[in-house]
Amino acid sequence: QVQLVQSGAEVKKPGASVRIACKASGYIFTNYAMHWVRQAPGQRLEWMGWINTGDGNTKYSQKFQGRVTITRDTSANTAYMELHSLRSEDTTVYYCARERVGTLGYWGQGTLVTVSS
Amino acid sequence: DIQMTQSPSTLSASVGDRVTITCRASQSVSTWLAWYQQRPGKAPKLLIYKASTLESEVPSRFGGGGSGTEFTLTISSLQPDDFATYYCQHYSSFPYTFGQGTKLEIK
Repeated sequence: QVQLVQSGAEVKKPGASVRIACKASGYIFTNYAMHWVRQAPGQRLEWMGWINTGDGNTKYSQKFQGRVTITRDTSANTAYMELHSLRSEDTTVYYCARERVGTLGYWGQGTLVTVSS
Repeated sequence: DIQMTQSPSTLSASVGDRVTITCRASQSVSTWLAWYQQRPGKAPKLLIYKASTLESEVPSRFGGGGSGTEFTLTISSLQPDDFATYYCQHYSSFPYTFGQGTKLEIK
C-alpha cells in the first residue's frame, strides 16, 4: 500500500532553513508527482509546490518562489522540501502529498515546523 | 491565482441530516475540483475528484456536483464519523488553491 512517511518535527531560529523529507513506499516513486502543502493552525491548506519525480522538474507557488526548493532522491524514494529565510509565520504543519487522479491522493502524516528565537 | 470560497464556514447538523456545502471558484476550473475531509490533527483525505467522482472506499452517502465555478458536496445522511472539516480544492492550473474550509459540527 502507498505510504508517505515524513521526517520529524523541527525547531528553527528566524532566518534559518529547514529541510523536510518525505519517504515513499508501496509504489514506483518516479511514476507519480509529489506536492507540498502547508497548513497554519485554523487556516486553510496552502499549496507550496510540486516536483515531477521522474525528471526533477519543479513548479512553485509565487508566494514561495525564491524561498522554497523541492528536490528528490530517486535512489532513496524520497522527496524533500527546503524552506529558507524562515520567519515566525512559517510556523505550521507541512505535508507531502502524492499525485493520484491528477490531484492530492495520498498524504504524509505532516511535519510541524516551529520558528522561534 | 484562482480564489476558492466555501459556504458556510460552519455547519451544525444532526446524525441523519442531509447537508450541502458549496464551493465557488473565482474563474472556471471546469471539473478539476476535489473535496477533502480533515479530522483534527490528521492529514486531509481525498473524498471526491473531478467534481463528482467518488474516491475508492468513500461511502456512497457522499456526493459531489457542479462545473465551471460552482460546486457542491452533499452528505445524504450524516453519520457520527462525518463530523470534520471539509475543503474544496481546484487543480485546473498551478497554483492549486483551497477553500477556507467548512467545519461540520454536531448540533
